[in-house]
Amino acid sequence: QVQLQESGPGLVKPSETLSLTCTVSGGSVSSGSYYWSWIRQPPGKGLEWIGYIYYSGSTNYNPSLKSRVTISVDTSKNQFSLKLSSVTAADTAVYYCARDRWPPQGFGWGQGTLVTVSS
Amino acid sequence: QSALTQPRSVSGSPGQSVTISCTGTSSDVGGYNYVSWYQQHPGKAPKLMIYDVSKRPSGVPDRFSGSKSGNTASLTISGLQAEDEADYYCCSYAGSYTFWVFGGGTKLTVL
Repeated sequence: QVQLQESGPGLVKPSETLSLTCTVSGGSVSSGSYYWSWIRQPPGKGLEWIGYIYYSGSTNYNPSLKSRVTISVDTSKNQFSLKLSSVTAADTAVYYCARDRWPPQGFGWGQGTLVTVSS
Repeated sequence: QSALTQPRSVSGSPGQSVTISCTGTSSDVGGYNYVSWYQQHPGKAPKLMIYDVSKRPSGVPDRFSGSKSGNTASLTISGLQAEDEADYYCCSYAGSYTFWVFGGGTKLTVL
């Protein structure tokens, strides 16, 4: 059974870059069957899809975040990563990594990690 | 403001049925049969309950069912149980530019 685990700093200063990594176990990010996504949830609010990456490196981002987001994959470490630049307090959220197929079969989720943006 | 509209809250007594709606547009819910539903208990990650409008992953009780009519998708939970009390989110494919959009979530209270 594939498991996803997020890791990274829990506190980021305003205007800096948020960086998170998702480690995949029990499966491979190089599998051509899956797309690897980041999704976030501000405290007490709903879910927002950030973007995905395919093992080949092709990406697709939420238009509202596209100018600040970079998602990359490291097949040698079986990981994929998120970078979100110029963060503000509005970027405070639980960040989840997730996987899905195409055609879609619903997201499988990591446990999530809280990132707080504060000086 | 979320792309898909869900009621803020619904409630029902044990054994009853409840339905949660998810309204979008012809560019998302109405345009594709890629609607999924997630259950989220406090402090936990979302759990997939329904995908492709009405398909249940293995392990999800058949008390959970999904449907769609036009631009509105629905999740019905029959035979309510205490453990069903949670937040529920819908999600829809919205085309190759926007890709995935979520609803704002519905809090289900089992009375």
